[in-house]
Amino acid sequence: EVQLVQSGAEVKKPGESLKISCKDSGNNFGSHWIDWVRQMPGKGLEWMGSIYPADSDTRYSPSFQGQVTISADKSINTAYLQWSSLKASDTAMYYCARHYGGWSLDSWGQGTLVTVSS
Amino acid sequence: DIQMTQSPSSLSASVGDRVTITCRASQDIRSDLGWYQQQPGRAPKRLIYTASSLQSGVSSRFSGSGSGTEFTLTISGLQPEDFTIYYCLQYNSYPFTFGQGTKLEIK
Repeated sequence: EVQLVQSGAEVKKPGESLKISCKDSGNNFGSHWIDWVRQMPGKGLEWMGSIYPADSDTRYSPSFQGQVTISADKSINTAYLQWSSLKASDTAMYYCARHYGGWSLDSWGQGTLVTVSS
Repeated sequence: DIQMTQSPSSLSASVGDRVTITCRASQDIRSDLGWYQQQPGRAPKRLIYTASSLQSGVSSRFSGSGSGTEFTLTISGLQPEDFTIYYCLQYNSYPFTFGQGTKLEIK
């Protein structure tokens, strides 16, 4: 069974950097995309972007392009979401999920809560 | 970008009722649409993919239909655990986009 396991909750100050992770325990890490989805407190789901670890092809939503960096290390089946300078408005739950090309997101991680506060 | 307009934003119903949620795409997305259920404090769970295919393990009370720009999620015989939030997602082209969500509440 595919399982995406995300890193734990983070509390950061504005201006700090952060990298959260999503580890895929399955055997096919190179054959599907890993997506990142934001959910701000009390709000809906927002697709941020996606990476294909086999060749690092990365797609971003225009809303998040330049605001975050998505990367992956296929040697350890792990994808990352990174900020260089956090803002209070980055406070949210962040989910990773998986999709195969041409198909919808099927498996999801448990979420990582990021809190940015001075 | 493809915009997904989901309606209604909230819906009141009773146990045993049948309800329908709609998503409209701003352009043709063929059948590249999924429906998700999110329980409080939990990650979303896929119910439907390719507009009408039921995810394995999901109750047959859930059904999806549509293609092109208009899609529906129907829940028949509502059970207490169904009263939560539902989202549609188009994956026809990047960037993927979610609908705004529908909160299903007990009347």
